[in-house]
Formats: sequence, structure tokens, C-alpha cells
Amino acid sequence: NAGVTQTPKFRVLKTGQSMTLLCAQDMNHEYMYWYRQDPGMGLRLIHYSVGEGTTAKGEVPDGYNVSRLKKQNFLLGLESAAPSQTSVYFCASSYVLGPQHFGDGTRLSIL
Amino acid sequence: GQQVMQIPQYQHVQEGEDFTTYCNSSTTLSNIQWYKQRPGGHPVFLIQLVKSGEVKKQKRLTFQFGEAKKNSSLHITATQTTDVGTYFCAGLNSGGYQKVTFGTGTKLQVIP
Repeated sequence: NAGVTQTPKFRVLKTGQSMTLLCAQDMNHEYMYWYRQDPGMGLRLIHYSVGEGTTAKGEVPDGYNVSRLKKQNFLLGLESAAPSQTSVYFCASSYVLGPQHFGDGTRLSIL
Repeated sequence: GQQVMQIPQYQHVQEGEDFTTYCNSSTTLSNIQWYKQRPGGHPVFLIQLVKSGEVKKQKRLTFQFGEAKKNSSLHITATQTTDVGTYFCAGLNSGGYQKVTFGTGTKLQVIP
């Protein structure tokens, strides 16, 4: 089992560019989450989904959009990247509100 | 909204010393989870506590859930260099719309 797979692992963008981060899970989990982690800030929830076709805002949703067209995939989009979005992005999945399984993360730098 | 705070934010200990991190919620929790994140890695689930006053052990790690279900602690006995990392608690609020809120984390450094 791969668990939770995030692509890409690293990316450098220029301000104003757009990109999509992909998260795929093979555990048939209903819930999926996107977090960002900045030094000394812990994990902050960006958006989450409680099932296929549903999404909801988390703690820091501004500047991001998400889609969950298939149960196993959760996409995070940056429409116009800003330096403040430089961070490590983690995707996670879980059975309802059970323990979360995290991917390895995407390290994103915006110049 | 629900807030989950952890103290201390950082802790340096000599190898062999004990370590404790505390997790405090602004609201009553249904359960609490603990995660460990190694440097450069991703958070990994350690344990979940559900009952008031519950205590669980994993080798040198002891997890406790407060009687009021608003706080929790993780105690490591005789730390080793393999314990280095950041420890997060995550609380599931009780009642109303349920969601999991991660604590701010405690970064542990073990000095050999």
C-alpha cells in the first residue's frame, strides 16, 4: 500500500504563477485534508473534504482552491502564487474523524 | 473557535532525562490524538485517547487524558536520540459540528 502520495515533492514558482498539488490515497478514506506548515506555526488547515464532491474551508483558505472529484484524490490549487504561500504542504486522509495518515509533503517556494 | 495549545514550544534535554509536553484545549474534547514528526518528515499517528482520565503506555511513552477531557500530556521516560522531533496533539471537539484541531506542537531536542 502506498498510503498517501503527494506530487510534486518540490516546486519553485514565480509570483503570480499557478499550480496544482495532487494528493492521492489508496485507503478508501472518506476524509481528506490539506495543511500548510511554517516554522513555529504548527499545522494549519487550509481546506478539507468529508467525501467525494464535497469541500470545506479550514483555518487559512484564502488564496487556495480545492477539488475532490474522485474519492481517492484531493487537489489543492494556487491560482496566483504569492511569496507568503512559501511553505511545506501536507495532505492527510482519515476514516471519518479517526487518525490521520499524512503524505510526505510538498516543499513549495515562491520567488 | 476551538484552540489547542501546547507547552512548552521547545524543549532541550540531555539523553536519559525525562520529557513532558502538555496539551490544553479551550473546549471539551471527544478524544485526543498524538502525533510525532521527525525532522524533515511528516506527522505520524502515535495514539488516541477517548475516556476521561485514560492512561496509555507505549514503551517509554505515557499518554494521559485529563478528567475534564480538556487537557492531555505525553511523558517520555529516559529520552533517547531517536525521540527527537516535534510532538503534536490533535483534539476532536465534542458536540455540535465536530472537527479535529491540531495543537501548536512541542519540538524536542535530545542532547547526546
